Order: sequence, then structure tokens, then C-alpha cells
Amino acid sequence: QKEVEQDPGPLSVPEGAIVSLNCTYSNSAFQYFMWYRQYSRKGPELLMYTYSSGNKEDGRFTAQVDKSSKYISLFIRDSQPSDSATYLCAMSLDSGNTPLVFGKGTRLSVIA
Amino acid sequence: GAVVSQHPSRVICKSGTSVKIECRSLDFQATTMFWYRQFPKKSLMLMATSNEGSKATYEQGVEKDKFLINHASLTLSTLTVTSAHPEDSSFYICSARDPTSGRYEQYFGPGTRLTVT
Repeated sequence: QKEVEQDPGPLSVPEGAIVSLNCTYSNSAFQYFMWYRQYSRKGPELLMYTYSSGNKEDGRFTAQVDKSSKYISLFIRDSQPSDSATYLCAMSLDSGNTPLVFGKGTRLSVIA
Repeated sequence: GAVVSQHPSRVICKSGTSVKIECRSLDFQATTMFWYRQFPKKSLMLMATSNEGSKATYEQGVEKDKFLINHASLTLSTLTVTSAHPEDSSFYICSARDPTSGRYEQYFGPGTRLTVT
């Protein structure tokens, strides 16, 4: 079993739809959880970060962490064509200089 | 957020030559930087952890002599691909964390696309 599992998609939705992206993980020691957005041929851009369990909202984006289930989610409301990108979940054991462990990324296309 | 730059953004080189890629933290000092490579439609694969003033820590399966990492200052790490081969063609990305920010997220550079002919 890989440390972080993420459905690679591709996921195609109409503009305005609510998008749900998910990752599961096996290491219960992960404490910090992040979502990155990566446009084609660009470096990943930090979208959301969360410490431990709970929800965090930023505009149209909501990140959820359920440590008991080892499951994290990113919701995008009122999706826009500009949201079309690959979304990568990432997690870390601590807040120090330890490498992030990434999911494979989910390719999202929002169709106008 | 913090800014990380990479240079060059893309490079084409001939097989057998060496290529150097620079990663800079522009508005913060990074004692640690990370180097990743990414194949098309694949996730990021950690290659090595670059530590300022000391040797890099390489992930299993990554050749130290082929991918030379130098972290000579708190704002610059370089990755040199030596004796490049077509299979080294990939997207190379670095990241760094601002240790003074009180935040734990890592910031990524824009990436360098290497093509070896």
C-alpha cells in the first residue's frame, strides 16, 4: 500500500459544479496536510494547508481532514474553467524540514 | 507567500553533456531545499534533500554521482545533471520552506524542463 493514495482522474465537470477531491493515507503520524494546484508545465502552487483534523475554508475552497479515517478532502464550489489543473495532496510528519509526501495528483477539467 | 525561483526555465542539451539548474529563495533564507523530478502526467518524485553547508541526502535509487547537488548559501541550491542521457529528460522542481515564517508549507519553484537529445 502506498503512503498516499489519490485518484488520478481525469475528472471533468461543468462550470459551476461542486468538485470533491480526495486522498487517503496510511501513516497515522502525518500531522500537516496541504493541497497544491499545478497548471501544465508549471511548479505546484500552495492552495490550502491544514494542521491535524478539522476544516478550513478560503473563498471557494474548503479543505477537510479526518485523521481517524486517514482521509482528506478538498472541495471547490462554483468551479470555474480557470480551476482546470492538477491538484496534488501532500502531507508531512512535522513542521520542520522533512520532505512532503505527495499523492499522484488529480487532473481536473472544468468545462464552460 | 515566499518566492522560489529557478533558472533556466527550460534547457535542451546534447547527450553526454552536463546541465546546471539553479534554485533560489528570493525573500527568505532556506537552510533546506528539496529537489523533485516529475514525468508527464505523473506526481512529484523526491530526488534529494539539499542542506546548506553539508552533503545532500539522496532518496533511494537516485544516483549521487549523476545528480550533483550543491547548497553553497542560504538562498541558493544547484542541481547538476552530469553526463546527461535522453532518459534524464524531465521536469525538475525545487522547493523550500521559510523557517522564520512560523508556517510549515513548502514553496515550489516554477520548474525547469530538461530535454536531452
